Amino acid sequence: DSGVTQTPKHLITATGQRVTLRCSPRSGDLSVYWYQQSLDQGLQFLIQYYNGEERAKGNILERFSAQQFPDLHSELNLSSLELGDSALYFCASATGSTYGNTIYFGEGSWLTVV
Amino acid sequence: AQTVTQSQPEMSVQEAETVTLSCTYDTSESDYYLFWYKQPPSRQMILVIRQEAYKQQNATENRFSVNFQKAAKSFSLKISDSQLGDAAMYFCAYRSAFSGGYNKLIFGAGTRLAVHP
Repeated sequence: DSGVTQTPKHLITATGQRVTLRCSPRSGDLSVYWYQQSLDQGLQFLIQYYNGEERAKGNILERFSAQQFPDLHSELNLSSLELGDSALYFCASATGSTYGNTIYFGEGSWLTVV
Repeated sequence: AQTVTQSQPEMSVQEAETVTLSCTYDTSESDYYLFWYKQPPSRQMILVIRQEAYKQQNATENRFSVNFQKAAKSFSLKISDSQLGDAAMYFCAYRSAFSGGYNKLIFGAGTRLAVHP
């Protein structure tokens, strides 16, 4: 158990809909990362938050947004869903944004868009 | 931009044997970290081993060890005494040591390891 909690574990929704994925980082971790793992594209970095502020942005679509709340949990919002958004979405956390703190991953949220 | 390349999409090994997974990376930075993550069929990402670029000594974790060649930008993973539970997808990852938002993990495409009894 990495200590990173993600909900829901599985989600099936229709095209055009909106979903919210939730992540609770490990206790004490200030930095949260979101990754997308599709079958054909490997692990893609989406976005990083550190202590409530956005720190880095990767290949995140405009239809997607995220935030980190004062209690450090984070949410990834996916809207106007398309079939191609079906993927495993990982949240990961680390103690800080500097230096080589190990990044620990949650178990992921499986999103299926039908 | 940094890149990570895993040139072996699939590998196989007999139980109790040794296997080496290859990883190369490209960076202009001098200080960074390298990781191997294991993703079993459950799809959870599990840290296997970590190497700091400033350390010359290769990291070791039980049956797992790395061969870190900084000049060659190579970071291979050796699994000794392979076990059935080692069957998984293995990802090599790079992380900058500098701050300022550049510290995300950059992953290779992965190597799927099969272990045969």
